[in-house]
Amino acid sequence: ETGVTQTPRHLVMGMTNKKSLKCEQHLGHNAMYWYKQSAKKPLELMFVYNFKEQTENNSVPSRFSPECPNSSHLFLHLHTLQPEDSALYLCASSQDNWREAQHFGDGTRLSIL
Amino acid sequence: GIQVEQSPPDLILQEGANSTLRCNFSDSVNNLQWFHQNPWGQLINLFYIPSGTKQNGRLSATTVATERYSLLYISSSQTTDSGVYFCAAPHGSGNTGKLIFGQGTTLQVKP
Repeated sequence: ETGVTQTPRHLVMGMTNKKSLKCEQHLGHNAMYWYKQSAKKPLELMFVYNFKEQTENNSVPSRFSPECPNSSHLFLHLHTLQPEDSALYLCASSQDNWREAQHFGDGTRLSIL
Repeated sequence: GIQVEQSPPDLILQEGANSTLRCNFSDSVNNLQWFHQNPWGQLINLFYIPSGTKQNGRLSATTVATERYSLLYISSSQTTDSGVYFCAAPHGSGNTGKLIFGQGTTLQVKP
């Protein structure tokens, strides 16, 4: 138990579907992150939120839309995804900023049909 | 940007053996993180280590920032140690930055 919970654990969706990934952290942290992990590739940072404000968008296509309503919750809204978007999506949090120790959720394994 | 390289890419150990994993980084950093990803995808932060040595049970890590490398030691390995080990270094300044992850070392511990 890392204190970061992601739902769902697995998601299969068609290219025209709309779905959302949810992340919740119980660590009292103020920074939250979305990462993408594709097969045989290093983790890629997608978005960073500090105190609910987005501070990093790592050139992510607009079909991925993040939302951070408060410091404990982070969502990733998915729309019109492509097969190459199939991957493990990991959420992480740290105390205040990107330099600090990051703690990850168990991930959502996403498959696009 | 900073480059993070890990070696070896793959490692097979017999249970009970010791091992050393290496992480080289191309620029000066003020901290280094080690993670373990188990076969089910769960990623656990093992160490946050700016410099020096830290120990956690059978695992320890040493970072020599001036020489741009970090080592992860696993002693008396167990099958539950199997998985992928990543190191990650920070890149950026001020409020804008990110962790750069290495490609990982895949460890298999055989009973």
